[in-house]
Amino acid sequence: GAGVSQSPSNKVTEKGKDVELRCDPISGHTALYWYRQSLGQGLEFLIYFQGNSAPDKSGLPSDRFSAERTGGSVSTLTIQRTQQEDSAVYLCASSRGTSSFYEQYFGPGTRLTVT
Amino acid sequence: SQQGEEDPQALSIQEGENATMNCSYKTSINNLQWYRQNSGRGLVHLILIRSNEREKHSGRLRVTLDTSKKSSSLLITASRAADTASYFCAPRPNTGGFKTIFGAGTRLFVKA
Repeated sequence: GAGVSQSPSNKVTEKGKDVELRCDPISGHTALYWYRQSLGQGLEFLIYFQGNSAPDKSGLPSDRFSAERTGGSVSTLTIQRTQQEDSAVYLCASSRGTSSFYEQYFGPGTRLTVT
Repeated sequence: SQQGEEDPQALSIQEGENATMNCSYKTSINNLQWYRQNSGRGLVHLILIRSNEREKHSGRLRVTLDTSKKSSSLLITASRAADTASYFCAPRPNTGGFKTIFGAGTRLFVKA
C-alpha cells in the first residue's frame, strides 16, 4: 500500500514568511509524529498526535510552530514568520498505534530553506 | 521519553568488512529498534529487539541487547557500498509516553 507522503518535497521561502508543510500518513495509522533534522544532525522531536488525544507538543521550539491533524488523518505543520534557523528537513512518521512495539514509517521529508 | 546515544559518531570501512555500531540508553525499555537513513531523508525501520531477547538476526544484521548495561549493538556483516547511511537506535520505554527521541546516529561510510 501507499506509504507516508509529504508535500512539498522542497520549499524555499523568504525570512518572515509563513509556510505550511503537509503529511499524509498511512491509512489507518492512528499515531503521527513530526521531526526536524538539521544538516548532519540527528532527529529533533517536534510533536506527536495519537487518535483523539491531546497532542504532545513538548518538542515545538517556539510559538511560531504549530501543527494540526484533521479528521485523524492528514497533518499540517505551520511555521510562522520563518527564520533562517528554521532551515532543515522536516520529517513526518506514522505508526499503527501507541504500542511501543509499533515501528514508525517515515515520509521522504520536506527540505525547507529560509533565505 | 528515552533517548538513545549512538557510538561511534562516524565509521568508515572497506566493502566486505563488518561494521559495529553501539547504542546506550538510560532507563527501562520495552524494546529497542534500529533505523537507517539514506541521504538525509526518511528513516527506514531495520529491526526490533524485545527487552527479554539478547540477540536477533535479520539477513546480514545482528542486534544484541544487554539490559543490565543498558546497551545495544548493531552488527552489519559483509558490508556493501549500499549500506552507506546513518543508523539510529530508538529505545522504547514501557511507561511514560510514546514519543521517540532519536540520537544523533552513527554515519557509516562503506568504501567500494
